[in-house]
Amino acid sequence: AQSVTQLGSHVSVSEGALVLLRCNYSSSVPPYLFWYVQYPNQGLQLLLKYTSAATLVKGINGFEAEFKKSETSFHLTKPSAHMSDAAEYFCAVRGKGGKLIFGQGTELSVKP
Amino acid sequence: GAGVSQSPRYKVAKRGQDVALRCDPISGHVSLFWYQQALGQGPEFLTYFQNEAQLDKSGLPSDRFFAERPEGSVSTLKIQRTQQEDSAVYLCASSQQGDGTDTQYFGPGTRLTVL
Repeated sequence: AQSVTQLGSHVSVSEGALVLLRCNYSSSVPPYLFWYVQYPNQGLQLLLKYTSAATLVKGINGFEAEFKKSETSFHLTKPSAHMSDAAEYFCAVRGKGGKLIFGQGTELSVKP
Repeated sequence: GAGVSQSPRYKVAKRGQDVALRCDPISGHVSLFWYQQALGQGPEFLTYFQNEAQLDKSGLPSDRFFAERPEGSVSTLKIQRTQQEDSAVYLCASSQQGDGTDTQYFGPGTRLTVL
């Protein structure tokens, strides 16, 4: 069965600093992996997805993630945080039938 | 074009009441998913439709939960005899393809509070 673990329920960075949100997955088949962002009182918006093509995936708003099979990781990064990046971030793996299996989420705070 | 819409956005129910939550997917999208997101948690899968066929309902927590998509477009999630543990945000997502492998687009959710 597939699963996802997000390390750190809360991450705080200063504006302009590197953002690193950690995600490790477990999957018995080659995984399809996703990062979604959720702003307060809104639905989930896709940031990026890995579908077995390039291991470095670029997404919207300057985010990117690198698939590392040897480490079973798919960490999300952004070189320079903006205040507008403050939100909840979810890593997910695609399960049977296409359903998404989400991690617990990481709340990102950005300090001025 | 319009995204996924859900109504109502907020619903307060007294314990024991029945509720119905509506999802309007993106026009033409074949796949439709329902998820439940408890406070401070990630979304959890409830059920999946391909057109009008409910192919997976393994995530429905009890027989009080029922979902339908009779014409292959709009979907309704019904919860009978609501309990306090049903309080959560219910998210709907749709995707274009029938095998559920492509990008899922999420609606804003319905926040259900059971008193």
